[in-house]
Amino acid sequence: DGGITQSPKYLFRKEGQNVTLSCEQNLNHDAMYWYRQDPGQGLRLIYYSQIVNDFQKGDIAEGYSVSREKKESFPLTVTSAQKNPTAFYLCASKYRREAFFGQGTRLTVV
Amino acid sequence: AQTVTQSQPEMSVQEAETVTLSCTYDTSESDYYLFWYKQPPSRQMILVIRQEAYKQQNATENRFSVNFQKAAKSFSLKISDSQLGDAAMYFCAYRAQQGAQKLVFGQGTRLTINP
Repeated sequence: DGGITQSPKYLFRKEGQNVTLSCEQNLNHDAMYWYRQDPGQGLRLIYYSQIVNDFQKGDIAEGYSVSREKKESFPLTVTSAQKNPTAFYLCASKYRREAFFGQGTRLTVV
Repeated sequence: AQTVTQSQPEMSVQEAETVTLSCTYDTSESDYYLFWYKQPPSRQMILVIRQEAYKQQNATENRFSVNFQKAAKSFSLKISDSQLGDAAMYFCAYRAQQGAQKLVFGQGTRLTINP
């Protein structure tokens, strides 16, 4: 089946460590996005990519990095520079008018 | 920059009744899309309804309908015959038709359905 797969579903990280969240899609969509969701808040855009080998910062890019080497993949790295990384992370892709979301990764810093 | 505001953090409604969730937005664009997304406890984002700004007719999807007031920059969601399965967080979102086309979300409204 076509869709967006995020892995892992739950992730634990020690302070000071970098961690990479996976996002894969087999929908052949050009545009992909990473959002962060904190309790009681809406989704805030971290990074987005409209085409392979190109990406732009969103509203809260500090402490995060991405790559887009393949159309299907848009991994997000949470670096040690991110001051408060514990959150729920959602990946999305877009085709024409509609966005499709993955099931999310819950990252907890311990 | 575009912004989306949902002024109702929480709403509740009796099962089978009707409820309206409010959303306002700010943009200088003339062509854009507006969306309502549902996020149940599973946290999967589900598209409920979409409205194109150039269309005057309000969008409808079964029990879900919108009241789109372009001049007032208002986009409310009406849920008729509320069901227990409608309980979720609801997010209003905006996307410009041109440019980066990134989705901008409101803060969300938590909807509770009382049996």
